[in-house]
Amino acid sequence: QLQVQESGPGLVKPSETLSLTCTVSGDSITSTSYYWGWIRQPPGKGPEFVGSISYRGSTYYHPSLNNRVTISVDTSKNQLSLTLSSVTAADTAIYYCARLSALTTVLYYFNFWGQGTLVTVSS
Amino acid sequence: EILLTQSPSSVSPSVGDRVTITCRASLGISSWLAWYQQKPGKAPKLLIFAASTLHSGVPSRFSGSGSGTEFILTINSLQPEDSATYYCQQAHSFPVTFGPGTKVNVK
Repeated sequence: QLQVQESGPGLVKPSETLSLTCTVSGDSITSTSYYWGWIRQPPGKGPEFVGSISYRGSTYYHPSLNNRVTISVDTSKNQLSLTLSSVTAADTAIYYCARLSALTTVLYYFNFWGQGTLVTVSS
Repeated sequence: EILLTQSPSSVSPSVGDRVTITCRASLGISSWLAWYQQKPGKAPKLLIFAASTLHSGVPSRFSGSGSGTEFILTINSLQPEDSATYYCQQAHSFPVTFGPGTKVNVK
């Protein structure tokens, strides 16, 4: 049974770096069947794609975040991670880790989501 | 970036009713559209992809239709557990985008 669990600090100061980890069990993040990625949802709004990583380790990021975001994997721990630098209040959101059904390298459906973790950017 | 709009923004049907939710895309997206259900405090769940294909385990009272710029999610014989916010998502152009959501409150 697939389980996806996000973890990390719930409070980050403005201009600092947000770092989250996603631990996956019940599936391998190196499986060639799926990609993995992050989506965020600001309070009261719809979800927003953050970025993805393929089984080959190729990464794809939302253009508006491209110079601040990094997604990587630790295959020995079956984890993926997200870092977002120079955060502002606009980055306050619930961050979800998800498994992606990739239609192409950059087009996906999100077939399974973790529970999410709320990250608040505030001093 | 493709913009998705949804209507209505909220609806309050009764148990047993049928509800339809419309998602409109700012450009034609063929059938590259998914629908998600999100209950309060929970993660979204995939209901439908490719506009009309039911995801594994989703009850048959959910159905999707449409292509191009207009899509419809239909929920027949509404159950209390269908109270949730429903989002559409396009997978036609990068970056993939989501609609603003439609809140369904089953009375």
